[in-house]
Amino acid sequence: DIQMTQSPSSLSASVGDRVTITCRASQGVSDYLAWFQQKPGKAPKSLIYAASSLQSGVPSKFSGSGYGTDFTLTISSLQPEDFATYYCQQYKSFPLTFGGGTKVEIK
Amino acid sequence: QLQLQESRPGLVKPSETLSLTCTVSGGSTSSSSFYWGWVRQPPGKGLEWIGSIHYGGSTYYNPSLVSRVTISVDTAKNQFSLQLSSVTAADTAMYYCARQRKGITVFGVVIDIDYWGQGTLVTVSS
Repeated sequence: DIQMTQSPSSLSASVGDRVTITCRASQGVSDYLAWFQQKPGKAPKSLIYAASSLQSGVPSKFSGSGYGTDFTLTISSLQPEDFATYYCQQYKSFPLTFGGGTKVEIK
Repeated sequence: QLQLQESRPGLVKPSETLSLTCTVSGGSTSSSSFYWGWVRQPPGKGLEWIGSIHYGGSTYYNPSLVSRVTISVDTAKNQFSLQLSSVTAADTAMYYCARQRKGITVFGVVIDIDYWGQGTLVTVSS
């Protein structure tokens, strides 16, 4: 199985901050990498697929980059509605695997 | 607008079979472009992919669950279902259904989640 490791596991940031979350795969996944946002008590929401493509309706303050084993999710200017847990997931091979999550909290 | 709605079994006894159904509206389970899958999340923990199915019959399961899992699709009802047998307390989780877009690459089939259901909590307890 491909292991997905996210860092940090949590972070504190202020409204307006630029935030970057890292995801590392235990082996290359090309660009078959997705990012999801989950707010407390809610279902995950799909943000990014193919490492850098925004899902329909996702604001452009979210961006993704990376290829192979190292990926990042960036939120350009953190807003109150962005405080949530973010997960990466590889879909290059089965079983599909998720990172452990990064919780973004208010400073 | 696509909507996915899980059924609500609630409480399942240990050693019994968990059964969930996801009803799809605003889309078709018989579309060749998509797989339909299940993901679960134990309380306070991360996400675990369970398995996925295509209406044509192709299925993929998580090896950690394959001996206990069956996913099926009923295109006439526009639903797909999950059965997980011999459940224990470790199977207590939120269960989400999801639509997954299918792609064909040099690596084989790839499927990425674009829509999620709202989830249903399943508790395994006597």
